[in-house]
Amino acid sequence: SQQGEEDPQALSIQEGENATMNCSYKTSINNLQWYRQNSGRGLVHLILIRSNEREKHSGRLRVTLDTSKKSSSLLITASRAADTASYFCATDASDTGRRALTFGSGTRLQVQP
Amino acid sequence: DTGVSQDPRHKITKRGQNVTFRCDPISEHNRLYWYRQTLGQGPEFLTYFQNEAQLEKSRLLSDRFSAERPKGSFSTLEIQRTEQGDSAMYLCASSSDRTPYGYTFGSGTRLTVV
Repeated sequence: SQQGEEDPQALSIQEGENATMNCSYKTSINNLQWYRQNSGRGLVHLILIRSNEREKHSGRLRVTLDTSKKSSSLLITASRAADTASYFCATDASDTGRRALTFGSGTRLQVQP
Repeated sequence: DTGVSQDPRHKITKRGQNVTFRCDPISEHNRLYWYRQTLGQGPEFLTYFQNEAQLEKSRLLSDRFSAERPKGSFSTLEIQRTEQGDSAMYLCASSSDRTPYGYTFGSGTRLTVV
C-alpha cells in the first residue's frame, strides 16, 4: 500500500512559473525523499530531507517538511519544459526497521513552453 | 559503472507463461530492492536483499513470485504462471551500507501480459 497522497495529481503551468507539489504521509519517518520520473523511465533521486530538518534547497528545488502535520512540499522555481515529468515523494521509516521506501501516488507536471 | 541495469527493458508474454527479469546493481552497493509500478501509481515495494540475504518481502510478493540474489551481486525476479494483473513496470534499486539513503534506480522492465 502507498504511504501518502500527493496533491495535486496533475499540474500544468507555463515555462518560467513556479510549481508546488505537496505530499502527506501517515507514519513516523527517518527521512523523506523526492524523485522524478520521465515517462516510461526509472526514478531519479532529487533531494532528501531528514526528519529533523525543516527546509532544504538544491538548485531550483526547495523542499519543506512539517513532521507535526506529516507533510512535505516540493517547489520548483523558474520551471522549464524539461521539468515535465512525474514527481513522487517517498518516505523512509528505517528507524522502525523497515528498509524500503514507501512512495506516494505522484504529481504529473506539465510545463508548457 | 554506469548505474543500475535492468534486462530486458520490455517483455510481452502470454498469460500462464513464466518470465524472469534481471537486475545488475551498482557494483559496490550491497543493498538491492525490487519495486512494482502500475500505470499512474507510485512504485510499491516487493522485496529487499542485503548482500545475498532476502531480508524483507511484501505481501504483494505472492507465491508465484520469487527473487534471488545468489552471490550478492545481480538479482533475478521470476514470475510464474503470469496473470494480466502482473502487467506493470518492475523497478530495481540499489544502495550501500555507507550511503543507505542514496538509492539508485534502474530504468525498469515493462511487463505486458496478454
